[in-house]
Amino acid sequence: DTAVSQTPKYLVTQMGNDKSIKCEQNLGHDTMYWYKQDSKKFLKIMFSYNNKELIINETVPNRFSPKSPDKAHLNLHINSLELGDSAVYFCASSQDWTEGIGKNIQYFGAGTRLSVL
Amino acid sequence: GEDVEQSLFLSVREGDSSVINCTYTDSSSTYLYWYKQEPGAGLQLLTYIFSNMDMKQDQRLTVLLNKKDKHLSLRIADTQTGDSAIYFCAESKITGGGNKLTFGTGTQLKVEL
Repeated sequence: DTAVSQTPKYLVTQMGNDKSIKCEQNLGHDTMYWYKQDSKKFLKIMFSYNNKELIINETVPNRFSPKSPDKAHLNLHINSLELGDSAVYFCASSQDWTEGIGKNIQYFGAGTRLSVL
Repeated sequence: GEDVEQSLFLSVREGDSSVINCTYTDSSSTYLYWYKQEPGAGLQLLTYIFSNMDMKQDQRLTVLLNKKDKHLSLRIADTQTGDSAIYFCAESKITGGGNKLTFGTGTQLKVEL
């Protein structure tokens, strides 16, 4: 069983469309994350949720809206897609976000490659 | 600042040791990590080190941490072709607002026969 799974793996869409990426973890973790990897492989955090509540919100356009229906799921909805949104989006989870040994180790999904045409 | 820097490329011969270096700027980081990304794949956690440790060894992997110089390195012994990938170091900072990983730029390791 995949620990952190994302769907879809590939997403090709036109500018201006709205799309969602889903993420599920079966590790029983409390904390989930979204990261963006650009064409130069640079990775940057976008959001983090702990037990369905937003705890990190980096400087991300408000066209990006994460939704956590329960602590095992963190979906990413993107409105009015732009060319610059083309990237690989990674979901991750950790037991929680505290300093306890091993608790904040983040495990990543396989990524969703988004191409905006 | 939160810049984490790595050299972009490293090429080694199969069987040699590889050393991938990383420098970071945030001295309050609690954990430092090494992740591996193979082409078209996700990020695989390789190892991590707590900030009060100097060294950690795990089979072929050795992590060295020099807190004074804010320098982290990953040594891979007996490098194999399957080790060809991009290697990312990352620093973890835990604040009242959560746990954020700041990644380095990634080092592309190429293993030649």
